Amino acid sequence: ILNVEQSPQSLHVQEGDSTNFTCSFPSSNFYALHWYRWETAKSPEALFVMTLNGDEKKKGRISATLNTKEGYSYLYIKGSQPEDSATYLCAYDSGTYKYIFGTGTRLKVLA
Amino acid sequence: NAGVTQTPKFRVLKTGQSMTLLCAQDMNHEYMYWYRQDPGMGLRLIHYSVGEGTTAKGEVPDGYNVSRLKKQNFLLGLESAAPSQTSVYFCASRYSYEQYFGPGTRLTVT
Repeated sequence: ILNVEQSPQSLHVQEGDSTNFTCSFPSSNFYALHWYRWETAKSPEALFVMTLNGDEKKKGRISATLNTKEGYSYLYIKGSQPEDSATYLCAYDSGTYKYIFGTGTRLKVLA
Repeated sequence: NAGVTQTPKFRVLKTGQSMTLLCAQDMNHEYMYWYRQDPGMGLRLIHYSVGEGTTAKGEVPDGYNVSRLKKQNFLLGLESAAPSQTSVYFCASRYSYEQYFGPGTRLTVT
């Protein structure tokens, strides 16, 4: 059974703090790794698609790195703002039409 | 473009009742998916479709059936609802690497 794990499950940070979370996934049959941002009562919104070992993506204050050989990806948020509060989901894509989602990291940024 | 829409947004069913959830997309995507989201469980794949007229089982297909008679629509059916099917259901369509999600349907089975 393929497993995707995210850590931590939840965290609270102060406004202005930088933070990072981890997504661990199977290192075999890798096709892509997806990061989503999911606000309460809304649907998941795509942040990044990462396909190559060593990939680094950036969108504003959010960035992500990828290590396919060891099976992990980090998501970083620099200078967290209250509007960054959301659940951050990763999904492993082995190219077989299906994604396997982690359970997410719930971030709360305190003003 | 409306993107991915889901009908209804909320529903309460009694045990044993049946219902159909409708997912529609106007982006001409081939792939469509039904997920359920439960606390602490993330998104789990129920069924998916790689094109009109085709469907396949996902991770948690028991108690659900699906149909994809038209490319733009993907229907999820519950023939005899059970309290364990209380969940939030998300539909998604996919093009290339990108998956686009609908707004979700909150279903409660009493």
